[in-house]
Amino acid sequence: GENVEQHPSTLSVQEGDSAVIKCTYSDSASNYFPWYKQELGKRPQLIIDIRSNVGEKKDQRIAVTLNKTAKHFSLHITETQPEDSAVYFCAASTGNTGKLIFGQGTTLQVKP
Amino acid sequence: ETGVTQTPRHLVMGMTNKKSLKCEQHLGHNAMYWYKQSAKKPLELMFVYNFKEQTENNSVPSRFSPECPNSSHLFLHLHTLQPEDSALYLCASSQSSGAYEQYFGPGTRLTVT
Repeated sequence: GENVEQHPSTLSVQEGDSAVIKCTYSDSASNYFPWYKQELGKRPQLIIDIRSNVGEKKDQRIAVTLNKTAKHFSLHITETQPEDSAVYFCAASTGNTGKLIFGQGTTLQVKP
Repeated sequence: ETGVTQTPRHLVMGMTNKKSLKCEQHLGHNAMYWYKQSAKKPLELMFVYNFKEQTENNSVPSRFSPECPNSSHLFLHLHTLQPEDSALYLCASSQSSGAYEQYFGPGTRLTVT
């Protein structure tokens, strides 16, 4: 079945620096790749997603890139702020089942 | 209430108890999901319902029994659980199953003693 690997498991950056989180997936049929942010004690919330017919998507300080050939996708956060501190999860989905396979999560700490 | 709600928020139960978790979505969505979130594992999909029909059972033990009476409500019936079933159980909903944003509830923190 589908497997999603996420790295790094923890990431610490200084406020204002950029942060990059990478994920690889195993199923070449995967066509939907969302990223969720989960703050401590709160529910996961979608921050950005990308579909397999697009190579890059941006939303203000957040961008996601997808390399279908290599089967990996990355989250880029620029000008990080303390409120960006949270656990970030990548996920991959195939077809119309709604079955999301999540990565292990990355704990991002932004130091002021 | 708006969005996705879950009750109870916290639950402690013995291994011989029977309890149920409830999820309700107020978004007009047609797909609902149960996830398990443990400290040392990623979010694990348990079940998917689309238009009240179960479309995915991710090899979940039979001690977990889902029920979806309509598109707005989802239950997870629990019986004879094990201590390793202690986790945060999250419900989610989306417009339909497929490549749509999933909206999560706040979760039920379950402790099995």
